[in-house]
Amino acid sequence: TQLLEQSPQFLSIQEGENLTVYCNSSSVFSSLQWYRQEPGEGPVLLVTVVTGGEVKKLKRLTFQFGDARKDSSLHITAAQPGDTGLYLCAGHHNAGNMLTFGGGTRLMVKP
Amino acid sequence: EAGVAQSPRYKIIEKRQSVAFWCNPISGHATLYWYQQILGQGPKLLIQFQNNGVVDDSQLPKDRFSAERLKGVDSTLKIQPAKLEDSAVYLCASSLNRGGSSEAFFGQGTRLTVV
Repeated sequence: TQLLEQSPQFLSIQEGENLTVYCNSSSVFSSLQWYRQEPGEGPVLLVTVVTGGEVKKLKRLTFQFGDARKDSSLHITAAQPGDTGLYLCAGHHNAGNMLTFGGGTRLMVKP
Repeated sequence: EAGVAQSPRYKIIEKRQSVAFWCNPISGHATLYWYQQILGQGPKLLIQFQNNGVVDDSQLPKDRFSAERLKGVDSTLKIQPAKLEDSAVYLCASSLNRGGSSEAFFGQGTRLTVV
């Protein structure tokens, strides 16, 4: 049973469109991490958000941590084919350094 | 800095056979994770080590899966006997867990196919 629910599971859009991916949980986390995974590779960290309400930007990607530190969103502006991949959110607990992943959102950006 | 190394990259076995995977984490990383990732899903934690001690193995099917981390460095994950539903990618990750850094660094994974 996944403690973190991601939506949507799949997203296929045209180049230039905007999109938002959501990550929701009933648990409070010390921090929340977003990873991107390409076929045949392990996940790679994009960003960590720590403070409730925190917003971080990474070029065209904007990450937000919910005020209660239970949910997060990833917004991509003007998506490009290079953004194609599996986006994973992961909740981290400082105690024990435990890291739990959501089910992932598979994004395909068509040229 | 060398990343997390895993071997083999691919393995095909018949059901009821045994298999072992090896992981060499980043030097100095105290935390080591083994995740199972079934096609189309997110990684599911199997076991987490802190140095050579087990932190969490609540989702490890202990009747067939075992793992060890000798001397708090390398780790092996074994499946005996394998079932068809064990077909997945097995990911190893390590984390420094110091100074507020909790980033997990992943290996490329071992893709297991059980036929």
